[in-house]
Amino acid sequence: DSGVTQTPKHLITATGQRVTLRCSPRSGDLSVYWYQQSLDQGLQFLIHYYNGEERAKGNILERFSAQQFPDLHSELNLSSLELGDSALYFCASSTPSGRALYGSYNEQFFGPGTRLTVL
Amino acid sequence: ELKVEQNPLFLSMQEGKNYTIYCNYSTTSDRLYWYRQDPGKSLESLFVLLSNGAVKQEGRLMASLDTKARLSTLHITAAVHDLSATYFCAVDKPGANSKLTFGKGITLSVRP
Repeated sequence: DSGVTQTPKHLITATGQRVTLRCSPRSGDLSVYWYQQSLDQGLQFLIHYYNGEERAKGNILERFSAQQFPDLHSELNLSSLELGDSALYFCASSTPSGRALYGSYNEQFFGPGTRLTVL
Repeated sequence: ELKVEQNPLFLSMQEGKNYTIYCNYSTTSDRLYWYRQDPGKSLESLFVLLSNGAVKQEGRLMASLDTKARLSTLHITAAVHDLSATYFCAVDKPGANSKLTFGKGITLSVRP
């Protein structure tokens, strides 16, 4: 158990709908990352938040958005869902200090994931 | 753009034998991470390699990093069934944009 929690575990929805995935980082971690894992694309970085601020964006569609709240949990919002959005969505958290963020390593601890199925 | 390649993508291993899998990356980095993923499960951190020549060992797995060759190897000693899983390597670059770029993963299957 990494200490990162994600809800829900499974989500089945229809095309065109909107869903929200939730992530709570490990105690003390300020960084949250979102990744999408699919068979054809592999593990793709979506977005990174540090202490409530967006720090980096990856291959995140405009239909997707995220935020990190003052209690450090994060939500990933997926809207106008398409069949191709079906995937496993992971969040990860990592070490909290500024030194770790800029000068050290970035070992990320992954949550159990949310499996999204769009029908 | 940073690219990470792993090969082979699938490896059938015989119990008791030794194997090595490889991870190449395309740009200068001295930070490499190995993760394990069981089917339908999350990613578990195995090793963090932080410098040229770094070697880490845990049980039957040993990982090493050659930053000049941009290559990491994961050596499996006397494979056992419990090692069957997908192994990912990932690389990041120091700085604010500290995302991990993952390889496609290598699926290992250990047969009796």
